[in-house]
Amino acid sequence: GAVVSQHPSRVICKSGTSVKIECRSLDFQATTMFWYRQFPKQSLMLMATSNEGSKATYEQGVEKDKFLINHASLTLSTLTVTSAHPEDSSFYICSARDRGPRWGYTFGSGTRLTVV
Amino acid sequence: QKEVEQDPGPLSVPEGAIVSLNCTYSNSAFQYFMWYRQYSRKGPELLMYTYSSGNKEDGRFTAQLNRASQYISLLIRDSKLSDSATYLCVTNGGFQKLVFGTGTRLLVSP
Repeated sequence: GAVVSQHPSRVICKSGTSVKIECRSLDFQATTMFWYRQFPKQSLMLMATSNEGSKATYEQGVEKDKFLINHASLTLSTLTVTSAHPEDSSFYICSARDRGPRWGYTFGSGTRLTVV
Repeated sequence: QKEVEQDPGPLSVPEGAIVSLNCTYSNSAFQYFMWYRQYSRKGPELLMYTYSSGNKEDGRFTAQLNRASQYISLLIRDSKLSDSATYLCVTNGGFQKLVFGTGTRLLVSP
């Protein structure tokens, strides 16, 4: 089946630094990728939708300049958390949609970001 | 009212039990429904999807969709310890977006 590889799985960074998270579709071309944030014991919250070769669409309340998304190819999307602060600490998950059936949403394994 | 509602649990059952996880939705326009399983600190993995009213079976899992009642369930037979996880009821909202339930936490004990 479709596989989405997300790296790193865990990262600890100092306040004020930037962190990049990568999401790769390994065996299919992902025209659309989604970035989610998940707080403990809560469900996933969509942050943004990225389409290959165009600007990402951010959900209301998500700062575009803080969460930079790049979807430069059909197999790679990146999320960069800029000038990270402790409140950005969270679990970030990407999802890619296969060009196949409409239900083909595959999730990455997630990245736990801790800002100290 | 949330678009997709699930009892957060936790739901505790012994090994070998039959478990029914339930989900209701408010928008009759939703077309596809999926059940995802999420282990702690991992990404969700797709268990089953359905779009037709009725039952769909895959091994120990059966998904049931009742469009008239706007209700979906996931039945797990012969529960195993490895079934302990959070189960997310998910549907496709507009513009390719997924709509998530809050998830039901299932604990299977020896």
